[in-house]
Amino acid sequence: NAGVTQTPKFRVLKTGQSMTLLCAQDMNHEYMYWYRQDPGMGLRLIHYSVGEGTTAKGEVPDGYNVSRLKKQNFLLGLESAAPSQTSVYFCASSLPGAMNTGELFFGEGSRLTVL
Amino acid sequence: GENVEQHPSTLSVQEGDSAVIKCTYSDSASNYFPWYKQELGKRPQLIIDIRSNVGEKKDQRIAVTLNKTAKHFSLHITETQPEDSAVYFCAAFNFGNEKLTFGTGTRLTIIP
Repeated sequence: NAGVTQTPKFRVLKTGQSMTLLCAQDMNHEYMYWYRQDPGMGLRLIHYSVGEGTTAKGEVPDGYNVSRLKKQNFLLGLESAAPSQTSVYFCASSLPGAMNTGELFFGEGSRLTVL
Repeated sequence: GENVEQHPSTLSVQEGDSAVIKCTYSDSASNYFPWYKQELGKRPQLIIDIRSNVGEKKDQRIAVTLNKTAKHFSLHITETQPEDSAVYFCAAFNFGNEKLTFGTGTRLTIIP
């Protein structure tokens, strides 16, 4: 049982390049989330998904796209990377609220640098 | 939407002393308040939580209090130890709309 796994762990991009971050969870969780963490700003929600085939915008969705084609995977795409997207990205998953404590299970994070 | 404010942003305490971190929230519909600890270079992990029908909860050296009327909640760590050094995040969760909003974090440093 690996929990929540993110790949890659580190990546350096040039401005304008595109990339995809992959999040995989083996806990059969319905809900999945992508957060970014910046110094002094906490964890901000980018996009989230409440089930396979569904996605929704969070607090800071601009410049990102997501897909949830399979229940266990949640992909975060950067279409045209910008220096402002330099951050640490965390994926998380949870059970629906009615069934759980509200606890999020986080991946180890992916550090992205855009030059 | 929900807004969670967290104070202080940094906190240094002598080993063995107590540490208190405070958070306020804006949405009265929020009904679950978890606290996450993030050690350097690691993922955030849940350390304690409280629901809106409870005023206080303890787990060994850590405790959380909730004042629903004032819309604030606090984390208390007693007899602090070096391994308590980390960034702590409060959060407010609304089971109705399934939204979890984090505070901006407190970097706690325990001075040996």
